[in-house]
Amino acid sequence: DTAVSQTPKYLVTQMGNDKSIKCEQNLGHDTMYWYKQDSKKFLKIMFSYNNKELIINETVPNRFSPKSPDKAHLNLHINSLELGDSAVYFCASSSRGSGGSYNEQFFGPGTRLTVL
Amino acid sequence: KNEVEQSPQNLTAQEGEFITINCSYSVGISALHWLQQHPGGGIVSLFMLSSGKKKHGRLIATINIQEKHSSLHITASHPRDSAVYICAVRKRGADKLIFGTGTRLQVFP
Repeated sequence: DTAVSQTPKYLVTQMGNDKSIKCEQNLGHDTMYWYKQDSKKFLKIMFSYNNKELIINETVPNRFSPKSPDKAHLNLHINSLELGDSAVYFCASSSRGSGGSYNEQFFGPGTRLTVL
Repeated sequence: KNEVEQSPQNLTAQEGEFITINCSYSVGISALHWLQQHPGGGIVSLFMLSSGKKKHGRLIATINIQEKHSSLHITASHPRDSAVYICAVRKRGADKLIFGTGTRLQVFP
């Protein structure tokens, strides 16, 4: 009964391909996130959805498109993969407390994407 | 300069030592998080705090809002504490977390 799950765990693909990473949470949270961790282990927010609505969209190339079919899922589709997209992608979720404050975030295990 | 700075970047310790990792930030925040990332890659939330001090087992986190500074302490360190510890802040009024660059801790038996 994993709280936040991601598939696949590893993804190796050629430049130019299109790929998707899936994320699911069973915590009943209303907010989900995608983070990118680069080779220097620095984490950066990419997207955030609250109740299936996009609330954060950082300066990410539009080759990256998140999709939230429902509150428990947030998938990440990447078109025309480039070498620089190689990284570990983490999904996370949290709930919003009273007054709109955010509670702690729960992270998925990460997806290591390698673009050859 | 990053809005969130951690020190030290790397830390080695002998088992049993008391460890302190520091985090300074330059923006107004609504909350500060301490995260742990193990060598296997998974990230676990250790603490979320907006004032004072929190304790969980051998881990203690403190925050001084006026000084824009937080510390993570590990008492009686153990090799299984070896991990990267990441500080992250949520800017006041913003929805996103801003991360520090992490502190790599190695505890030797």
